[in-house]
Formats: sequence, structure tokens, C-alpha cells
Amino acid sequence: EVQLVESGGGLVQPGGSLRLSCAASGFTFGTYWMNWVRQAPGKGLEWVANIKQDGSEKYYVDSVKGRFTISRDNAKNSLYLQMNSLRAEDTAVYYCARGAVTTGYWGQGTLVTVSS
Amino acid sequence: QSALTQPASVSGSPGQSITISCTGTSSDVGGYNYVSWYQQYSGKAPKLMIYDVSNRPSGVSNRFSGSKSGNTASLTISGLQAEDEADYYCSSYTSSSTRVFGTGTKVTVL
Repeated sequence: EVQLVESGGGLVQPGGSLRLSCAASGFTFGTYWMNWVRQAPGKGLEWVANIKQDGSEKYYVDSVKGRFTISRDNAKNSLYLQMNSLRAEDTAVYYCARGAVTTGYWGQGTLVTVSS
Repeated sequence: QSALTQPASVSGSPGQSITISCTGTSSDVGGYNYVSWYQQYSGKAPKLMIYDVSNRPSGVSNRFSGSKSGNTASLTISGLQAEDEADYYCSSYTSSSTRVFGTGTKVTVL
């Protein structure tokens, strides 16, 4: 069974940093593109970033470029999102999702709250 | 990277058919057959309902169907049921090799 389990969310002050993790199981992690998608409270889904199987290609939504970094460790079946210079508007549930142009599997999400 | 445009809400009676539109540009919806649709219940993770414009994943009811014409994709739910009441989002691949989601549509079963 495919499982994606996010962790690392929490309360952080504006300007602070946080690192999210996603532990994958039930499939060959290193053969899939992976994504981070977020959802602000009461708002819609927003694609944040994705990364190719070998980490050689990474893409980001404009609003996080230069602040967020997506990475992966295929040996540990894990996906990461390093978030720096956090802003109030980054407050959201962050989902890890599998797939290139279609995301068929999603984790349950981890909540990031940016507030003083 | 503007969000794709969806109606905020669509409603229908049980048994009826409804259609949700998703309008983008030639740089996303109109340029690729990589439109997908997701169903989301409150507080839950999204679920894939349609991929590559019109394909249904295994286990998804055949009451759900997808199509595309020009820069607008559509999701049709036929034989509307109470359990279909949820939020629905479209998504597309873009010419920048990124992805974009729609603004979301709340489906209400009257």
C-alpha cells in the first residue's frame, strides 16, 4: 500500500525557517517525481514545487522561489522541503504528493503556521 | 502562474448531471492533455478522479467523466449522489514545466 507521511510542521515566527519531511513507503520511491502542494486555511490548493526522480530537475511556484528548496533522499525514501524567510501567507497545510503531471497519491498533510 | 478559473459553486439535485468548467490558457490547459481533477472532502487530502483530461483511475465511479475544448476543461458528474458533495479542483501542467491548480468548486447536492 502506498503511504506518504508528512512531518515537521508547527508554529514559526515570520522570517523563520522550517524543514518538512515526507516518508514514503509501498512503492519504489526513486522512480517517481514528487511534489509539495499546500492549502491555506479555507482556501484552495496551490502547487508549491516538484522534483525529478534523481533530483536533477526542480521547479517552484514563483511565490516561493529563492526561499524554499525541495530535495529528496532516495536511499531513505524521503522528500523534503526547506522553508526559509517564512511569511504569514505561507501558513497552510502542506501535502506531499506522488507523480509528475498527475498526483495520484497524497499524504494527510502537515500544518505550518507562521505567526508572531 | 495564475490559478485556473473554476466556478465557485455548482449545485444539482440527486440523479441530475452537473458540469464544472476549468478555464486556463494556451500555456496550460489548452497546450497539453495533462489536465487532472481532484475531489476533496473537508479536512481530508485530495483524491484523484480524472487524469490526462478524460481517464479515470481504477476505483473511481464511471459517473465521473472529463473532457477538454480549447483552453477549457470540464468535469461532468452524472447521476449526482449525496456523497458527491465536496470541493473539486482541476490541475494542469504548464509550459514552464510547473503545475497549476484551479480556484476550486464547491458542489452541493440539493
